[in-house]
Amino acid sequence: SAVISQKPSRDICQRGTSLTIQCQVDSQVTMMFWYRQQPGQSLTLIATANQGSEATYESGFVIDKFPISRPNLTFSTLTVSNMSPEDSSIYLCSVSDRGRLSNEQFFGPGTRLTVL
Amino acid sequence: AQSVTQLDSHVSVSEGTPVLLRCNYSSSYSPSLFWYVQHPNKGLQLLLKYTSAATLVKGINGFEAEFKKSETSFHLTKPSAHMSDAAEYFCVVSPPTSGTYKYIFGTGTRLKVLA
Repeated sequence: SAVISQKPSRDICQRGTSLTIQCQVDSQVTMMFWYRQQPGQSLTLIATANQGSEATYESGFVIDKFPISRPNLTFSTLTVSNMSPEDSSIYLCSVSDRGRLSNEQFFGPGTRLTVL
Repeated sequence: AQSVTQLDSHVSVSEGTPVLLRCNYSSSYSPSLFWYVQHPNKGLQLLLKYTSAATLVKGINGFEAEFKKSETSFHLTKPSAHMSDAAEYFCVVSPPTSGTYKYIFGTGTRLKVLA
């Protein structure tokens, strides 16, 4: 398995500001993902974080709004830029590793973001 | 296109009675299927997974699910509900396309267990 931590666990932010969320995993993994879970909703994939290259974004999500970094195989960040109240959600990272973890994903505890 | 449908947004059962949470999927390829549970203010926990081995999959906490290709279903069951089972349950399909192992989540089923 894999143990994932996220920072911060929660935050309250003002509209127009940006927040960077960190995701750290206890071992090297090939794949890292970022999800959004809006209040009372299911999870929606934002992007796949690629080590050493630009993230792959899903339809409806753009790099200018959600820039992602992945400098190595154990760490990634997601920034929520120019926030509005509609960005209030739980943001989760997950990891998978083709070789060791098959195609199973392990999830971090999430970052609960409230935008005022 | 790949998709997953959870047929019930809310399910209520009495403690000690069986649980059935329904899930249907759509996939052009033989998918991997998962059930996750999310307790209030907690992270997602894997209950069980199907990856083309046995069609009846046993998971943690007494849950199991049966993969039925003819019905494109992967329903989650438990013989006897416990109060601690109250949570949100997500059915997930992971189509084996492009080697990306992306997940597609269902809309979730909130299970309520009555004393």
